[in-house]
Amino acid sequence: EVQLVQSGAKLKKPGESLKISCKGSGYRFTSYWIGWVRQMPGKGLEWMGIIYPTDSYIRYSPSFQGQVTISADKSSTAYLQWSSLKASDTAMYYCARFLGDIAAFDIWGQGTMVTVSS
Amino acid sequence: QSALTQPASVSGSPGQSITISCTGTSSDVGGYNSVSWYQQHPGKAPKLMIYEVSNRPSEVSNRFSASKSGNTASLTISGLQAEDEAYYYCSSYTSTSIYVIFGGGTKLTVL
Repeated sequence: EVQLVQSGAKLKKPGESLKISCKGSGYRFTSYWIGWVRQMPGKGLEWMGIIYPTDSYIRYSPSFQGQVTISADKSSTAYLQWSSLKASDTAMYYCARFLGDIAAFDIWGQGTMVTVSS
Repeated sequence: QSALTQPASVSGSPGQSITISCTGTSSDVGGYNSVSWYQQHPGKAPKLMIYEVSNRPSEVSNRFSASKSGNTASLTISGLQAEDEAYYYCSSYTSTSIYVIFGGGTKLTVL
């Protein structure tokens, strides 16, 4: 079964760092882009960026460039990282397999809820 | 451009058909056939329902269909069922630096 499994929910304080993960299985992880999508409470979907695990080529949405870091490693895992969280980073974060030639996300992780509160 | 334009809500009775629109520009919806539609039930991850304007993944019911005319894409759900009640999002490739853009989402209520 093709699936993406994300790390669990996190409660952090402003200024703290965080790295959440997304592990793929059931397919050749390095042959597909992985993307990250933010959904703030009660709001819509926002495309954050994508990474091609084979060469770690990354494309960020201008809205998220410099705000987060996307990475991946040889354990079929992609990551989304913050160096200094803000309250406005509170959201559900989804990873999803991205089909670059058709610009569609076909397989989604279950989501990781990140809450930033003092 | 912040997002593709979708109606905030639509509704229909069981058995009826509804259509959700998704309006963009010639830099996204109108210029490319990379329009997708996603269904999201509350508390769940989105699910791909349509890709490349009108193609359905094999596991998606044929009650879901989609098309595009000019800068507007449309998703039609026929034979509405209670389980169709959800949020629906369109997305498109965009030639701007954003690369992929989502619509604001439409809440479908089955009356």
